[in-house]
Amino acid sequence: GESVGLHLPTLSVQEGDNSIINCAYSNSASDYFIWYKQESGKGPQFIIDIRSNMDKRQGQRVTVLLNKTVKHLSLQIAATQPGDSAVYFCAENIQTGNTPLVFGKGTRLSVIA
Amino acid sequence: DVKVTQSSRYLVKRTGEKVFLECVQDMDHENMFWYRQDPGLGLRLIYFSYDVKMKEKGDIPEGYSVSREKKERFSLILESASTNQTSMYLCASSLGERGGYTFGSGTRLTVV
Repeated sequence: GESVGLHLPTLSVQEGDNSIINCAYSNSASDYFIWYKQESGKGPQFIIDIRSNMDKRQGQRVTVLLNKTVKHLSLQIAATQPGDSAVYFCAENIQTGNTPLVFGKGTRLSVIA
Repeated sequence: DVKVTQSSRYLVKRTGEKVFLECVQDMDHENMFWYRQDPGLGLRLIYFSYDVKMKEKGDIPEGYSVSREKKERFSLILESASTNQTSMYLCASSLGERGGYTFGSGTRLTVV
């Protein structure tokens, strides 16, 4: 069945460096992907999304890359700040019908000042 | 500011009690979802609803039921709470077949 996973459960990054959070998905029918950020004590918040007809999408300090060949998704955060410390989830949506998002297990990003 | 509101941030209940978790959204979204979040397991879908009075089972519906009598409100019911239902419960809503979810702040339920 479809699954969404992450290569690294935890990531520590020096403040000011760039962060890269990875995600693998197994369902080739997935055509919509989202990254969420969850800070301690809060619900997940939408960061950025990408559709399968794109390879790259940029937001403010964040970039999502999609490699459909190897079913890989990544979130790049430029100039990581202490406020970026959180758990990051990727989620996928498959093409057939109105199906719920499938979430990965999350990666904790810790920013070292 | 649009939002999803969960009625309680923290809740402590006894084993065997019937528990109601309430969720209200003010965005006129058709779709609403209930997840539980546990360390190492991520977000797991319990139930969802695409319309009033409609409900669908998610991945882990056992021990839970839901109610959606009005478009803006989606309630999660634990018929007889058990200690293994101690968890963080997250409600979310979305508009249409595509688009991201808006999450509530969560309810941390402890069953003793």
